[in-house]
Amino acid sequence: GQNIDQPTEMTATEGAIVQINCTYQTSGFNGLFWYQQHAGEAPTFLSYNVLDGLEEKGRFSSFLSRSKGYSYLLLKELQMKDSASYLCAVRDKNDYKLSFGAGTTVTVRA
Amino acid sequence: EAGVTQSPTHLIKTRGQQATLRCSPISGHTSVYWYQQALGLGLQFLLWYDEGEERNRGNFPPRFSGRQFPNYSSELNVNALELEDSALYLCASSLTANYGYTFGSGTRLTVV
Repeated sequence: GQNIDQPTEMTATEGAIVQINCTYQTSGFNGLFWYQQHAGEAPTFLSYNVLDGLEEKGRFSSFLSRSKGYSYLLLKELQMKDSASYLCAVRDKNDYKLSFGAGTTVTVRA
Repeated sequence: EAGVTQSPTHLIKTRGQQATLRCSPISGHTSVYWYQQALGLGLQFLLWYDEGEERNRGNFPPRFSGRQFPNYSSELNVNALELEDSALYLCASSLTANYGYTFGSGTRLTVV
C-alpha cells in the first residue's frame, strides 16, 4: 500500500509563490497526481508525473523524485481563487488505484 | 462532453437504513471508482469496477457494496447505515485503469 504525507495547512499572500511538498512510500509506483479541491466541490486534475523532473503547466508546476519518494506542487503568482485543498495521490502499479494524502489547505490572503 | 454525474446530490438517512448512490461515467470510460471523504479526512478508496467486474475494494466492511451495469454506470449500496458513514461519496471514471481520474461532484450522505 501507500503512505502519503503532506502538510495540513499553508498560508500565502496574493501574488506570492507556495510550494506544497508530498512524500510517499509505496510498494509499486506508477505515477503521482495532484488535484485541486475547492470546499464542497469535486477534486479537479492539476498535474501528473511518472518520470523524474519538473512538469510545468502555466502557473502550476509539479516535480517528482522517485528515488526520494518526493514530489512538490509549485503555485506561482497566487490568486485568491487558488484558495483550496491540494491533494497528492499515488497510483499503484499492481492495482492501478489512486491513494490520496489528506490534502493541504492553502489560504491566499490579500 | 458530459462529465461524471452522480445522484442524488444530497441524501439523508436514518441509522440502520440502506442508501443507494448512483454514478454515470464519462462516455467511453469503462472504469469507475468510489471514494469516501469524511469531514476533515482524505479520500478513502472504496471500490473499483471495470468492464462490469469488481477489480479491487478498500478496507471497508462488507455492508459497503456495489455493482457496475452493462452501460458502465455504477451503484454504491451502503447497508445498515451508521452515523460515521456520514460523508461525501465521490465517484470517478477513467478511460482505462492506466489513465487519470475525472471526479463527479459527489453525493453528500448524512446519517441521523
